[in-house]
Amino acid sequence: QKEVEQDPGPLSVPEGAIVSLNCTYSNSAFQYFMWYRQYSRKGPELLMYTYSSGNKEDGRFTAQVDKSSKYISLFIRDSQPSDSATYLCAMKRGYALNFGKGTSLLVTP
Amino acid sequence: DTGVSQDPRHKITKRGQNVTFRCDPISEHNRLYWYRQTLGQGPEFLTYFQNEAQLEKSRLLSDRFSAERPKGSFSTLEIQRTEQGDSAMYLCASSPGLAARNEQFFGPGTRLTVL
Repeated sequence: QKEVEQDPGPLSVPEGAIVSLNCTYSNSAFQYFMWYRQYSRKGPELLMYTYSSGNKEDGRFTAQVDKSSKYISLFIRDSQPSDSATYLCAMKRGYALNFGKGTSLLVTP
Repeated sequence: DTGVSQDPRHKITKRGQNVTFRCDPISEHNRLYWYRQTLGQGPEFLTYFQNEAQLEKSRLLSDRFSAERPKGSFSTLEIQRTEQGDSAMYLCASSPGLAARNEQFFGPGTRLTVL
């Protein structure tokens, strides 16, 4: 079993919908939690970074961490076609990031 | 553009050849990381530098792989005697040296195809 589990999708939603992306993890030593967006054939782009349980909001994006359940989420409000990409969750202990497989999201006009 | 840069962006090589990739981190970032990403997977950690010191290596980094960061600025990743299984995107990331700042910022990657 991988330390970080993420449903690869694909997930297809209409423009304007609220998107919910999730990851679970097994290692309670993870201290920092990130969400990256990756467009096809590009490098990952950091979207959100948190280190405690609770919510963090940045524009249309909200990151949620529940350490007791070992579960993290990313919510995207008012989704746009330009949000179509792969979303990767990542968790950190020590130096290395441990990534999920990524969820492919398609927002249709 | 002051982000992480990588060169080349694409590399096609024949099995058995050696290849070398370069990464230039964001200036003032003293931490540098290499990751490998295959199709349909998230990036996997390969190695980490703090300044010029290589402090951590993944078991994925076989003897055919070597990374350097000679002056604590740019880094190179060399793969000797390439194999078809080495085909992947090789990503470089950097982060500030401040303990409170753990975000890693990625470059565009080098896509390697081994024929």
